[in-house]
Amino acid sequence: DQQVKQNSPSLSVQEGRISILNCDYTNSMFDYFLWYKKYPAEGPTFLISISSIKDKNEDGRFTVFLNKSAKHLSLHIVPSQPGDSAVYFCAATSDYKLSFGAGTTVTVRA
Amino acid sequence: DAGVIQSPRHEVTEMGQEVTLRCKPISGHNSLFWYRQTMMRGLELLIYFNNNVPIDDSGMPEDRFSAKMPNASFSTLKIQPSEPRDSAVYFCASSPSTSGRAKETQYFGPGTRLLVL
Repeated sequence: DQQVKQNSPSLSVQEGRISILNCDYTNSMFDYFLWYKKYPAEGPTFLISISSIKDKNEDGRFTVFLNKSAKHLSLHIVPSQPGDSAVYFCAATSDYKLSFGAGTTVTVRA
Repeated sequence: DAGVIQSPRHEVTEMGQEVTLRCKPISGHNSLFWYRQTMMRGLELLIYFNNNVPIDDSGMPEDRFSAKMPNASFSTLKIQPSEPRDSAVYFCASSPSTSGRAKETQYFGPGTRLLVL
């Protein structure tokens, strides 16, 4: 039962442009959402998070938007850089248990 | 600062053998998590410890899997006997949360890539 879904397995974007990653969830009890970034042969690295009491959180080039009514969140990366090429996981939780999406592979083209 | 340390990084074994994966969490972190990543199921939580006590082991696939945390700086995940379907990447993560809330953010180790032949 996949409670967190990332429907785009891959995304290719030109350097300097915006990357938009999408994530949908089904469990209305989720109240905290996170994005992790993963390079090959490394563990996931925390990127940014948002609480359900907010609809936007910004950290440098990264902004996460939350639409609770649609049970949807997105991650915007502006501007995209070559080092952003990685797999991005969306995760959601209502307690200690993180439910992860399948991931989106982002490739930033020079 | 040292992050979460896992060993070995790679393990190749034959079906039926015992496999032990090790994890050293970040010093001062009270919560420890073991995850498994496979192509079919993605990242899934196997077991969660808080203050060295197993709180939730509902994700452990079957009795062949066991995990221990004898002290705050060490945990093991053991598979005995191992089977080819256990082949996956196993991640350990730790969190400073005393309550285990993921809001404190989980920090992942580099993972152990296990291949069971």
